[in-house]
Amino acid sequence: GEDVEQSLFLSVREGDSSVINCTYTDSSSTYLYWYKQEPGAGLQLLTYIFSNMDMKQDQRLTVLLNKKDKHLSLRIADTQTGDSAIYFCAGGFMDSSYKLIFGSGTRLLVRP
Amino acid sequence: NAGVTQTPKFRVLKTGQSMTLLCAQDMNHEYMYWYRQDPGMGLRLIHYSVGEGTTAKGEVPDGYNVSRLKKQNFLLGLESAAPSQTSVYFCASSLDDRGPGELFFGEGSRLTVL
Repeated sequence: GEDVEQSLFLSVREGDSSVINCTYTDSSSTYLYWYKQEPGAGLQLLTYIFSNMDMKQDQRLTVLLNKKDKHLSLRIADTQTGDSAIYFCAGGFMDSSYKLIFGSGTRLLVRP
Repeated sequence: NAGVTQTPKFRVLKTGQSMTLLCAQDMNHEYMYWYRQDPGMGLRLIHYSVGEGTTAKGEVPDGYNVSRLKKQNFLLGLESAAPSQTSVYFCASSLDDRGPGELFFGEGSRLTVL
């Protein structure tokens, strides 16, 4: 089955760029996602990328997909203290129905 | 605009007790899901439903039951709670199963089993 792995923790200084990395095993994933979880809240979709794309940019967010290495990254430019949260990578694939498999999450701490 | 609402938000149980978590969505979504979140393990799918009256097993279904009698509600039951079921439970819904299909999450229910 699909396995999605992320590093657990990242600390950056406010104003710097953050890069959160993810690796996945199932190359049949049609879409790959980044979700954000703020303290005490559920997950919210940040962005997603279709598997035939290499890059997607959305304001301060840049998603890079390397299908050969099964590697996904999320870059946050000009990181702000409000970006402190847990970021989850997820792969979507079709089994009996379409399902998302989540990574363990990367906790981003932004230092003032 | 409520979205996905979970009740209760916190609960403490003793081993062997039973309880039901309720998830309600007001977006007319077909698909609903129950996940559990444990430290260092991300979210794992317990059960899901592809429409009213349907349920299916996810990755970690043992010890849980679900029902979807009404389209807007998805109930997660623990018949005999165990300490291993201490976790944060999230309900989510989506319009259908076609990607990219955004999942909308509730705020979570923290369950402690003593």
